[in-house]
Amino acid sequence: QVQLQESGPGLVKPLQTLSLTCSVSAGSMSNGNCYWSWIRQPAGKGLEWIGRIYTSDSTRYNPSLKSRVTMSIDTSKSLFSLHLSSVTAADTALYYCVRESLYPYYFDYWGQGILVTVSS
Amino acid sequence: QSVLTQPPSVSGAPGQRVTISCTGSSSNIGAGYDVHWYQKLPGAAPKLLIYGNRDRRSGVPDRFSGSKSGTSASLAISGLQAEDEADYYCQSYDSSLSGFVVFGGGTKLTVL
Repeated sequence: QVQLQESGPGLVKPLQTLSLTCSVSAGSMSNGNCYWSWIRQPAGKGLEWIGRIYTSDSTRYNPSLKSRVTMSIDTSKSLFSLHLSSVTAADTALYYCVRESLYPYYFDYWGQGILVTVSS
Repeated sequence: QSVLTQPPSVSGAPGQRVTISCTGSSSNIGAGYDVHWYQKLPGAAPKLLIYGNRDRRSGVPDRFSGSKSGTSASLAISGLQAEDEADYYCQSYDSSLSGFVVFGGGTKLTVL
């Protein structure tokens, strides 16, 4: 059973960078047979895939967010991170870290989610 | 505007069967990419129900079934139970713009 847990600030000021970390249960990142992803859900809206990371050199981002997103990973510490720059109120959402299968790309393990509000 | 289109809501009485559609295009479902389905209960993270168009995740009741044809997919729920009331999302992959994961807008299932 893979467990994921998001952490980070719940409040971010406009135009600043949103940074979240996902801690993954020990040993779950070692075999390289999956991606590690971020998905968000604004209140009252649907799910939006933000992007995924496989290794430090292998990332894929949602084209709509690509210019503002950076992801990193540290398998030795069993964690991966999301950085979203120049945030606005539209980035207020529940953010989930998720394990994503290799093709056909489904999401089988989810964190509980962390609410991030963008406000001054 | 979601890349995959789902009806905003569906409803059914206990014991009935309902279906939720998911319509895509030639760059996602129609291109042969698999469709997956998730159930989201209030206050909980989404839960994978169906992957690879029709395969149920371990532990998911066989009342849930998935299918795919052309540029569309469907989730069927038979023998509706009150606990099935939730939001349901379809998900696939789109090959445009170098490729990215896409979701439907979600369907609210109400058990009458």
